[in-house]
Amino acid sequence: ETGVTQTPRHLVMGMTNKKSLKCEQHLGHNAMYWYKQSAKKPLELMFVYNFKEQTENNSVPSRFSPECPNSSHLFLHLHTLQPEDSALYLCASSPFGTSYQETQYFGPGTRLLVL
Amino acid sequence: GQQVMQIPQYQHVQEGEDFTTYCNSSTTLSNIQWYKQRPGGHPVFLIQLVKSGEVKKQKRLTFQFGEAKKNSSLHITATQTTDVGTYFCAGHNNTGKLIFGQGTTLQVKP
Repeated sequence: ETGVTQTPRHLVMGMTNKKSLKCEQHLGHNAMYWYKQSAKKPLELMFVYNFKEQTENNSVPSRFSPECPNSSHLFLHLHTLQPEDSALYLCASSPFGTSYQETQYFGPGTRLLVL
Repeated sequence: GQQVMQIPQYQHVQEGEDFTTYCNSSTTLSNIQWYKQRPGGHPVFLIQLVKSGEVKKQKRLTFQFGEAKKNSSLHITATQTTDVGTYFCAGHNNTGKLIFGQGTTLQVKP
């Protein structure tokens, strides 16, 4: 729909599991973002990648590990998560890079439940 | 840290009534963007305002950016059930970071 896809769409994992979230944008954009959306909270920016380089890490716990192999793909590796990490994880991209104050295009999100 | 506050958090209206959500920033913003997230969906960009005092319309939706570039509003005239969702404002601060408000969730009773 928006050119940004995320897999899986739903994920249930135990606290000792290791899993990865994948985001792919088909828009030729230069910047990609990970957000966490919890109930009754604003969207929380987690990581920003600009031309494959990480430019922002908003004090995210090390149990979340991002990876950006190229401008089209973004991963979020998860390990030893806590129940409070259960949320909707949204990926977004923007066209020219973070130096330009642009619209962000969101993927459908991965709804994560940590048991 | 810088905050963008939205009020109200929730609004229930009868179909046909008007609806307004307000967005206020603690500091001046370079622009204001509005997104809509349908239930179970993801945020979708609606519009961006850049100029002080700017007003833009999209059919029944009217968006305004304040003169001081610290506040904004979204007004929907004669709501319809298709307007249901959460409306987020977001603005770029002076470091280029996009800050989101917590959203206003609109429910429309048919």
